[in-house]
Formats: sequence, C-alpha cells, structure tokens
Amino acid sequence: EPEVTQTPSHQVTQMGQEVILRCVPISNHLYFYWYRQILGQKVEFLVSFYNNEISEKSEIFDDQFSVERPDGSNFTLKIRSTKLEDSAMYFCASVQREGLETQYFGPGTRLLVL
Amino acid sequence: RKEVEQDPGPFNVPEGATVAFNCTYSNSASQSFFWYRQDCRKEPKLLMSVYSSGNEDGRFTAQLNRASQYISLLIRDSKLSDSATYLCVPSSYNTDKLIFGTGTRLQVFP
Repeated sequence: EPEVTQTPSHQVTQMGQEVILRCVPISNHLYFYWYRQILGQKVEFLVSFYNNEISEKSEIFDDQFSVERPDGSNFTLKIRSTKLEDSAMYFCASVQREGLETQYFGPGTRLLVL
Repeated sequence: RKEVEQDPGPFNVPEGATVAFNCTYSNSASQSFFWYRQDCRKEPKLLMSVYSSGNEDGRFTAQLNRASQYISLLIRDSKLSDSATYLCVPSSYNTDKLIFGTGTRLQVFP
C-alpha cells in the first residue's frame, strides 16, 4: 500500500538555525499538507499546498515558515530561524482530491530545538 | 466554543468490553467526518469515515447526527491493540484542513 514518507525521523537543532523537513507524498496525490503536534497537545494545521502554491495557512505559519515542492516528488517545510517553541512533531499529509477524501499522514519528524 | 470537543478520558476498559466515544463539533458547515486513531508518538491513522446514514466496519460503528452536530464511535469486543487516542475529525467542504481535538484516550486492559 502506498504511503507518505518523511525524513529525517528526528532532528535536533540549535535555536536560530534553519531546518528543512522533507516529505514524499503518495505519488498520485495532488494536495499536500503540513501539521504539527507539540508534545501532549492536539494536532494543528499549518498549511495546505496545491498546484505549486499555498491554498491556506494557519496563524502558526508565519514568515519563518515556507513550503515548496522543488521537484515532482518532494514536499518540504522550511523553518528559517527556529525557536524553542517550534519543538514538535511535524506531520506531512496528502490526498488525491480535496474536500471529502481523507488525508494520509506520514510518520512525522520529531524536531527538538535547543 | 471549541471546534471539536471530546472527553479526553482515559477510558479504562477490560478486553471484550464495548466502549463508546462521543464528539461534538461547532462548525455547521462541516461536510466530512472521520475517526482517526493515534498511538503514542505516532501519526494519526484513519480508522473510518463517518457517513450520514451511519456505518460499520467490523467491530467499529460510527454515527453522525448533523442536527446536534454530534458524532459517535462504538467499539465492540475491545482488544488490547485498540488502546490508543481516538480523534474525531471534521473538515469543511470549502477548506480541506482537518480540525483535530485533543482526542479520547482508550486503555484496554487484560
């Protein structure tokens, strides 16, 4: 069964450093998402992406965050200057069509900012 | 009012028990509804979609009441492997982001 993959599984970084989290969505999916989950809290939507542009973003997704699809397979989330409060699990998700279909989540990247 | 409200639990039940979870949502524009399960430190995984007429998948039954903005999940014959957090997830037609609550934690004991 096809699945969403994410790399790295864990990343430790110093405050102020840039990080890039990578995702490979399911191959025939067209809509892509990033969510995050701070330890002990609920999963929160960050951004959705379709046709090489952001379709929606949350208040969390400020100027420190960016997404891109540099090639036909990867979907990346960049945090330019990490803060302590960016420590969380970051999940990528994808779906073939928007709206009524469920989203499939990758295994996540656990980011720890020191 | 929170977008999604669930009893956080934990619900501690013995193997073989029947357990029910409830969820209320605030956005009446929500069109699609899902139950996800999340194991500790893992990604959310789809358990089942929820249809207006209600639906069943093996030991799991989901019901939707649009008038009351209420969704339920019934698990029959609980297994140890059912221990997880169960997330009620609505989404709107005009925005495809999923809205998660804190979920309901289930612990099945031998």
